[in-house]
Amino acid sequence: AQKVTQAQTEISVVEKEDVTLDCVYETRDTTYYLFWYKQPPSGELVFLIRRNSFDEQNEISGRYSWNFQKSTSSFNFTITASQVVDSAVYFCALSEAGRAETSGSRLTFGEGTQLTVNP
Amino acid sequence: NAGVTQTPKFRILKIGQSMTLQCTQDMNHNYMYWYRQDPGMGLKLIYYSVGAGITDKGEVPNGYNVSRSTTEDFPLRLELAAPSQTSVYFCASTRVSSYEQYFGPGTRLTVT
Repeated sequence: AQKVTQAQTEISVVEKEDVTLDCVYETRDTTYYLFWYKQPPSGELVFLIRRNSFDEQNEISGRYSWNFQKSTSSFNFTITASQVVDSAVYFCALSEAGRAETSGSRLTFGEGTQLTVNP
Repeated sequence: NAGVTQTPKFRILKIGQSMTLQCTQDMNHNYMYWYRQDPGMGLKLIYYSVGAGITDKGEVPNGYNVSRSTTEDFPLRLELAAPSQTSVYFCASTRVSSYEQYFGPGTRLTVT
């Protein structure tokens, strides 16, 4: 069975600090996808990134960067120079692609990390 | 495109009442999902569908039913509402190949 663990329940930083959100996953599949979603106080879920299991290159998008390491089953998310608008709950999620036709690419979510960025 | 739409946005039910949460997507996605999010928790899968006429249980299906008569619609039925079903319900959809799920805005349900 697949599992996603986000050990950090809450993180509080001061604006302009860098912050890293940890994500550790478990899966038996060799082909899978990892995701990060943002849930701001308004409640909607905002897609941030998808990474497949064969692509271990780190990715940077503006102030956001992601570090995927298969050796440690981790997919960590770093926000550089955090801003108050980054305050949200961030979810890491896993989809096992191997059984997509029958399991429907369903996502397993972590419990989320509440990030608070203080001015 | 409107994406994934859900109605209602909010609802209060009394114990034992029934209701249907509506979900519609206009992206011609085959795959649709219902999740629930309890306070301070991640999302848990209730039911999913891989196409019209095909549905299957997720992690927490008890107390719910679904149907998928068209590609666009995936309603979630609550029978005999219980306080444990107080939650925020999200509907999502995806294409077969992309795996990125598009989420609706959610329905906040309170059962008292």
